[in-house]
Amino acid sequence: QVQLQESGPGLVKPSGTLSLTCAVSGGSISSSNWWIWVRQPPGKGLEWIGEIYHIGVTNYNPSLKSRVTISVDKSKNQFSLKLTSVTAADTAVYFCVRAPPPLPPQPHSDYMDVWGKGTTVTVSS
Amino acid sequence: QSVLTQPPSVSGAPGQRVTISCTGSSSNIGAGQDVHWYQQVPGTAPKLLIYDNTNRPSGVPDRFSGSKSGTSASLAITGLQAEDEADYYCQSYDSSLRGSVFGAGTKVTVL
Repeated sequence: QVQLQESGPGLVKPSGTLSLTCAVSGGSISSSNWWIWVRQPPGKGLEWIGEIYHIGVTNYNPSLKSRVTISVDKSKNQFSLKLTSVTAADTAVYFCVRAPPPLPPQPHSDYMDVWGKGTTVTVSS
Repeated sequence: QSVLTQPPSVSGAPGQRVTISCTGSSSNIGAGQDVHWYQQVPGTAPKLLIYDNTNRPSGVPDRFSGSKSGTSASLAITGLQAEDEADYYCQSYDSSLRGSVFGAGTKVTVL
């Protein structure tokens, strides 16, 4: 049973960089899955941030693309999110998520079947 | 404004049937992309409820069912129970945005 656990600073200063890590347990980050970041601002809905396939292919939300980097660290069985130039609008609960490979194969994820519990990140001075 | 449109709220008495609509466009649902549904109890992570339009993951009660037609999809909950009070989100892939998109969510209230 794959489990995901987010970690990282809960407070980031405006104009700084938000950095989060998602530890994967019960399975390998190198398996044929998409690894995704989703966020949820306070009292609002879900927003897809971006995703990475186990071989390193990435897709990003166009509205965040210039500020986002998602990467995989196979040696630590984890994947990471970096979001630069943050503002108060980036305050949210951040979830890391797994999506199994779609069938037939496509260059993007399909449904999201395993979610981390989420971590709250506040952007404030 | 979300790419997928859901009603903000629906309600029903215990035992009743409620449905939640998810309306998209020709770049997502109408293009044949699958629709997936998630249930989120406030303060917890979303949980996959329906995938690929109609399929239930193991452990999801058969009171939950999904359908899709044209540019829209629906989630039905029959025999509504108090524990079904939650927010429900639809999700699909949008070929214009080249990424996953979510509806704004629908709050289900059990009267």
